[in-house]
Formats: sequence, C-alpha cells, structure tokens
Amino acid sequence: GAVVSQHPSRVICKSGTSVKIECRSLDFQATTMFWYRQFPKQSLMLMATSNEGSKATYEQGVEKDKFLINHASLTLSTLTVTSAHPEDSSFYICSADVPGQGAREQYFGPGTRLTVT
Amino acid sequence: QKEVEQNSGPLSVPEGAIASLNCTYSDRGSQSFFWYRQYSGKSPELIMFIYSNGDKEDGRFTAQLNKASQYVSLLIRDSQPSDSATYLCAAVGDNFNKFYFGSGTKLNVKP
Repeated sequence: GAVVSQHPSRVICKSGTSVKIECRSLDFQATTMFWYRQFPKQSLMLMATSNEGSKATYEQGVEKDKFLINHASLTLSTLTVTSAHPEDSSFYICSADVPGQGAREQYFGPGTRLTVT
Repeated sequence: QKEVEQNSGPLSVPEGAIASLNCTYSDRGSQSFFWYRQYSGKSPELIMFIYSNGDKEDGRFTAQLNKASQYVSLLIRDSQPSDSATYLCAAVGDNFNKFYFGSGTKLNVKP
C-alpha cells in the first residue's frame, strides 16, 4: 500500500520559535496532501489542503499566516508552525490523496507530536 | 466543518462478540465513508470504505450505509482484544477530496 512518512515524529520547542514538519509520499506521487491537527481525546480536524505547485486551501478558522504550508514537489509537503505557543501543542498528521483509487482513499503519515514549552 | 457524529463510548464487548459502531453525518452531499482505527498515540489506519447503500464485508468487518438516514455503521465480528482502539468514521464531501472525521468511538474488547 501507499506509504506516507513524517519528520520529525516528536519535537519540543520554545514559545515564539518556528517548527517545520515534513510529509513525504514514499512510493507514489501525491498531487494533494492534507494536514490535520488532533488534540487529546478529540478527532482529527482538517487544517488545510495542500496542492502541489499552488497555494494551500485553509479551513475556516485556521490562520494561514501562522501555519505555512508549502507543497513544492509531488512527494513533499511541509507545514511550518510560526511563532509557536503552548496552545499549538498537538498531534499533527498529514495524509496523501492516492490518485487512481476509486474511492479516493487517503493514507496517513505516522504523525508529529509538537510540544511548545 | 461538516458534522460527523459518533458516540464517544467506551463501548465494551467481550472477546468473541460482535461490536457495533455507529456514525451519522449531516452533509447529504457526502459520497464516500471511511472507517479508520486509531491506537493511542498513533495515526489512523484504514479499515474499509463504503459508498453504496447496503452492506460491504471484508473479513471480520462489515460496513453498512444508509444514505436516506445518513447513517453508517461498522460491525466487527469475533472481536479480539487487539481490536481495542478508537474507531473513526469519516465522510468525504462531493468534491471527493476533503475528509471530515467524527470524534471517534473507543472500543474495549475484554478477554
């Protein structure tokens, strides 16, 4: 099956700094990737849709200037959390849309746990 | 965001029993529905998807869809302790692109 990786798996940063999270599709080309955030005991909340070669589409309530998304190639999307604050501490998960699949399955990366101190 | 509702549980069933997980969705334009399993601290794993009314079986899992009632369910037969996890229901909108997840139902299978 399709494999999606994320790096880093865990990151601890100080308040006010920026953190970059990478999402890679390892054995397929992903024209579309998605970024989710999950707080403890809550569901995945879609943050944005990342399209290769174009600007990301953000969900309502997600600050595009705070969560910078770059989808520079067909196998890599990055999420940069700028000026991180403790309330940004969460589990960030990316997924990739697998082209050619009838029901447009999404495969998830392993997630990145961000802790802002 | 479009609403997908699930009972948070926990749902406790004995080993070998049938576990029934339910999900309702608000967007009538939703085309496809997915069930994911998520272990604590891990990302979701796809179990199965369904997009036609009726039942779809895959091994011990059966997904059921009723678009008129906007209802999706997942049955797990012969439940095993390893099935203990949170089960997420997701609906995909009419653009076949965005997934909207329910809050998940925690399942405990007791040996």
